[in-house]
Amino acid sequence: QQQVKQSPQSLIVQKGGISIINCAYENTAFDYFPWYQQFPGKGPALLIAIRPDVSEKKEGRFTISFNKSAKQFSLHIMDSQPGDSATYFCAARGYGNKLVFGAGTILRVKS
Amino acid sequence: KAGVTQTPRYLIKTRGQQVTLSCSPISGHRSVSWYQQTPGQGLQFLFEYFSETQRNKGNFPGRFSGRQFSNSRSEMNVSTLELGDSALYLCASTSGSSQETQYFGPGTRLLVL
Repeated sequence: QQQVKQSPQSLIVQKGGISIINCAYENTAFDYFPWYQQFPGKGPALLIAIRPDVSEKKEGRFTISFNKSAKQFSLHIMDSQPGDSATYFCAARGYGNKLVFGAGTILRVKS
Repeated sequence: KAGVTQTPRYLIKTRGQQVTLSCSPISGHRSVSWYQQTPGQGLQFLFEYFSETQRNKGNFPGRFSGRQFSNSRSEMNVSTLELGDSALYLCASTSGSSQETQYFGPGTRLLVL
């Protein structure tokens, strides 16, 4: 019940295309859903986050879609750029500040 | 504002030894969480400290412990190291109030030989 399932494991997108990463969770007590971006040798950096009372949030080229009834949320990266090539993690916050992470998606944007 | 800093950045130890990692949170942040990142298990929560008290703990053996000082700096200790403890150890800080972003440090890369 503490798991967050993330797909796909890896993704190759052409420059200018849309990257879509999906996550699903079981625990309805999760109250905050962030997405993190991680480059090699760096710690994860927050990209965008959403709360379960909101169905969509957009920040620049990044959009989170949230479906509370289906317990699913997704990250859309519009106009994907080579600089977006990184590993992306979805997460869900449980008790306190404990984050439960998905397994990660390695995104490669081909120029 | 300076970010989360972690020291050392890299560490090599041998089985059976112990290790202490340090984390300095963002100024003003009172909550510090620790995570272990490995290729096989991904990012896993170790524990969280808030105002010098452990507030939450993940599913790791008792060899993993931590503490937080009055200036919010935190240390984690791993005793009797095993090969499987090789990982990137990440520290994250928040101000402590609810619905706050966790800011991660660059991590300490631990290799156990």
